[in-house]
Amino acid sequence: AQTVTQSQPEMSVQEAETVTLSCTYDTSESDYYLFWYKQPPSRQMILVIRQEAYKQQNATENRFSVNFQKAAKSFSLKISDSQLGDAAMYFCASYTGANSKLTFGKGITLSVRP
Amino acid sequence: EPEVTQTPSHQVTQMGQEVILRCVPISNHLYFYWYRQILGQKVEFLVSFYNNEISEKSEIFDDQFSVERPEGSNFTLKIRSTKLEDSAMYFCASSRRGDPEGAFFGQGTRLTVV
Repeated sequence: AQTVTQSQPEMSVQEAETVTLSCTYDTSESDYYLFWYKQPPSRQMILVIRQEAYKQQNATENRFSVNFQKAAKSFSLKISDSQLGDAAMYFCASYTGANSKLTFGKGITLSVRP
Repeated sequence: EPEVTQTPSHQVTQMGQEVILRCVPISNHLYFYWYRQILGQKVEFLVSFYNNEISEKSEIFDDQFSVERPEGSNFTLKIRSTKLEDSAMYFCASSRRGDPEGAFFGQGTRLTVV
């Protein structure tokens, strides 16, 4: 079984600053993927970034990057130069080909202060 | 950019009534999913669908629920005899099997059971 844990319910960051959102996971699979999804007030789920477990290099997507620590089963999201539009709920999720479904964490609410 | 489309965006129904939620997945995707999110809670997997049959379902997906893809393009979730606790946001998603892009989500259908 897969589990994804996001222990911080809320975080706040000043506009233009950097913030890191934490996530840990557990899986018995060797082949899996990790994702961060953003859910703005419209409640649509938007894929932010993905990481293949077999890749050692941390994924980067513009202002978004991850710190993937496979041994520690940790997958944090760093948002640089935070913008007001980054304010949203962020969900960490894992995916394996074995069961082909996403398992989500509880999410973290990020607010951005102007 | 291709996207997953869901209709309706909001559905209000009386308890005990049947509802059908509709989804048009991305055209070259092979796996289809339904997830739900009760307000303020995490996103939960309901069911995955591949090759015209259910590949996996959660304990939430009981006999009250059914899925089908009758026309080869629309993917539907039917909820029979709705209950108050079925009120939630329902997300359809699609992905390519073995593709590390993850699942692309629709904008969701907000179901309110009164």
